[in-house]
Amino acid sequence: AQTVTQSQPEMSVQEAETVTLSCTYDTSESDYYLFWYKQPPSRQMILVIRQEAYKQQNATENRFSVNFQKAAKSFSLKISDSQLGDAAMYFCAYRSIKGGATNKLIFGTGTLLAVQP
Amino acid sequence: DVKVTQSSRYLVKRTGEKVFLECVQDMDHENMFWYRQDPGLGLRLIYFSYDVKMKEKGDIPEGYSVSREKKERFSLILESASTNQTSMYLCASSTTIGGSQHFGDGTRLSIL
Repeated sequence: AQTVTQSQPEMSVQEAETVTLSCTYDTSESDYYLFWYKQPPSRQMILVIRQEAYKQQNATENRFSVNFQKAAKSFSLKISDSQLGDAAMYFCAYRSIKGGATNKLIFGTGTLLAVQP
Repeated sequence: DVKVTQSSRYLVKRTGEKVFLECVQDMDHENMFWYRQDPGLGLRLIYFSYDVKMKEKGDIPEGYSVSREKKERFSLILESASTNQTSMYLCASSTTIGGSQHFGDGTRLSIL
């Protein structure tokens, strides 16, 4: 069974600085999707970034980028130029590429990011 | 934009009651999901559905059931609520191929 591990329960960053959130996963599949989700205090979970495992290029969305190391099964999220609005709980998630009944996401336990002004 | 709407933001019920949590999505997504979120445990999948009237157990289905009579609506049912079911409940939907999941605002359920 697949598992996702986030080893940092809490992180803190100064406004305008860069922070990296760690995520490792375990799977025997060769193709899959990886996601980072953000859950601000208002609670709605929002997709931050997505990576397909067959793509070697790291995904980037504005100030958010990932470092995807497939062999090491590592998927870290880098937030550049941190803003107060980035304060949230961040979840790493895995999803099989197969369809149908395997469409579920497997989540890590989350990292609570605080942004200091 | 995809809209996933959960019927209540906060709900307080008593032990032994039958509780219904409703979720509606407006993007014709095939898949719908119910999670519960607890501190330190992340999100755990309760049930999911990949088609109308089709359902699959997730990781923690005990004490819960679901209903999906129409594509846009997925209901979570607590047959006889217990205090250990006090939690945040999140509904999500997605397409089948490569779809990321879209979440509702969540329902904070307290069982007294």
